[in-house]
Amino acid sequence: DAGVIQSPRHEVTEMGQEVTLRCKPISGHDYLFWYRQTMMRGLELLIYFNNNVPIDDSGMPEDRFSAKMPNASFSTLKIQPSEPRDSAVYFCASSLRQSNEQFFGPGTRLTVL
Amino acid sequence: EDKVVQSPLSLVVHEGDTVTLNCSYEVTNFRSLLWYKQEKKAPTFLFMLTSSGIEKKSGRLSSILDKKELFSILNITATQTGDSAIYLCAVPSPMEYGNKLVFGAGTILRVKS
Repeated sequence: DAGVIQSPRHEVTEMGQEVTLRCKPISGHDYLFWYRQTMMRGLELLIYFNNNVPIDDSGMPEDRFSAKMPNASFSTLKIQPSEPRDSAVYFCASSLRQSNEQFFGPGTRLTVL
Repeated sequence: EDKVVQSPLSLVVHEGDTVTLNCSYEVTNFRSLLWYKQEKKAPTFLFMLTSSGIEKKSGRLSSILDKKELFSILNITATQTGDSAIYLCAVPSPMEYGNKLVFGAGTILRVKS
């Protein structure tokens, strides 16, 4: 299994631009999680999906952030418009319903100038 | 609110030393505690602990859980430079559908040669 796949691995953009991060979970996993990691705040859960349905988005910082999961093998996290304080590493993780273990993707390092 | 506190926040040791990392938690419906190692990329799973007093071991790493006192420790013996990483502790916080992981801030371990 290829594991959780994320793209791009690095993204540098200017303030005000739209940013789209992509994730492909492990095949067969029915939970998908988006996290953000910064030095100041550590690892924070932004949103998670069960069977493609958003369940808890209370961690999404602002309306500028949105996430979708159009099918079982693909999810996006969009920031529009981006701001310098959004600079962080964004991780996607997936898990099986019966398991607590989440498998993380390699992350996308986002820099907003 | 479910919470995980790790200590120390950072640690510098010499190769061959033994280290003990601490994790205390508060969660409304405890099911398990997980340890992850994060080097330059994504967190990778180390251990899942569900029962008190039963040590889990993997090579030079071991971990134990105390459900009465609400903490866990991660021991690394005969440390090597490759052990340098951030060690994250997490507890699943049960949601209506599945769990979300609540992470501690992590312990940054640096092993000097």
